[in-house]
Formats: sequence, structure tokens, C-alpha cells
Amino acid sequence: NAGVTQTPKFQVLKTGQSMTLQCAQDMNHEYMSWYRQDPGMGLRLIHYSVGAGITDQGEVPNGYNVSRSTTEDFPLRLLSAAPSQTSVYFCASSNNQGYVGYTFGSGTRLTVV
Amino acid sequence: RKEVEQDPGPFNVPEGATVAFNCTYSNSASQSFFWYRQDCRKEPKLLMSVYSSGNEDGRFTAQLNRASQYISLLIRDSKLSDSATYLCVVKVPSGQNFVFGPGTRLSVLP
Repeated sequence: NAGVTQTPKFQVLKTGQSMTLQCAQDMNHEYMSWYRQDPGMGLRLIHYSVGAGITDQGEVPNGYNVSRSTTEDFPLRLLSAAPSQTSVYFCASSNNQGYVGYTFGSGTRLTVV
Repeated sequence: RKEVEQDPGPFNVPEGATVAFNCTYSNSASQSFFWYRQDCRKEPKLLMSVYSSGNEDGRFTAQLNRASQYISLLIRDSKLSDSATYLCVVKVPSGQNFVFGPGTRLSVLP
């Protein structure tokens, strides 16, 4: 049982490049989210999804797109990378009842130069 | 007012000390409550759920006071390995579903 798998673990991008951060879970969780965490800061919600085909914006959605075509996958797309997007990105999932909390992936460390 | 607030920290305590973290939440309709720990450069991991009756797991005790909208975490006999950031998490009825507090950093010193 893999839980929540994020790829890649590390990435360096040039300003203006685009890329997709992958997130997959094998727990049949309805709820999935993307967070970013900057040094010394708390988690900030980027986008979330309450089920396949449904997504919504979180606190800091600008510059990011998401889609949820299957229950398992929730990719995060950076449209045109900027240095301000240098951060650690965490994907998380939960059953929709939420009584067992979130399970997090191990994170993607992104540097934009 | 932020939805979930925590002690600002950091807490620096000697090994063997007892330390308590406090958390308040603003949404009275919140449904579930959790404490997570996050080690440096790692993902947050669930430490324990918090129940209305209070619950204990070894050296860790969590309490919930719904009337005061207050959650606490008590760590007894602190170990060096307890050094981490502790996150208070609240499940709200709709929208973004889980709301994270900013975290309180704990350093247990030898």
C-alpha cells in the first residue's frame, strides 16, 4: 500500500518554464489537496478536489492549474514558473468524511531560477 | 482572526520536561480535530486525533474543549526525538475541509 506518491522529489526550473507535479493515491480517497510550504512558514492551500471532476481554489491558486480526471490522480501544473514559486509542495488525501485526517506525500522540492 | 491559531513558539525545553501546546479555532461547526508533527524538511504526519473525551497515547495527551473552541497537546517526559513542529488541524464542514494552524516548534535539549 503506497499511500500518497509524489513525483518528482526535486526539480529545478528556469523562469518561464512549465511543468507538472504528479500526485497519486491508492487509498480510494475522495479528497485531495495541494499545499506549498515556504521556509519557516506554515502550509498554504493551493487547490483542492472533493472528487473526480471537481476542483476548487485554495488560498494561493495564482500560477497553478489542477485537474482531477480520476480518483487516484491529482496533478498540479505550473503554467509559467516564477522564482516566487520556489517552495516545497505537498499533496495530501483524505476520505471525504475526514475522520482519519490527511495523509501526505513526501513532497516535491522545487527551485525556480 | 485566523481560523486556527497556535502558540507562536518556539519552545525550548530540557529532556524529561512536560510541555503543553495550545490551539484555538474559530469555526464552531468544526467536526474533527488532529495534531500532526512535522520534522524538518519532511511531510506532516498524523500524531493523534483529538476526541471530546480527551485521549492519550503513551506520553501524549490531547484534550478538546468545544465550548471554548480550544485544543491542547501535552507531552510528558520529553525526548530529543520529540523535537519537531506540531500542527493543529481542524476539519471544517465545507470548502477546504481541513484547516492547518501555523505550527509550534519544539526543541528538546539534552
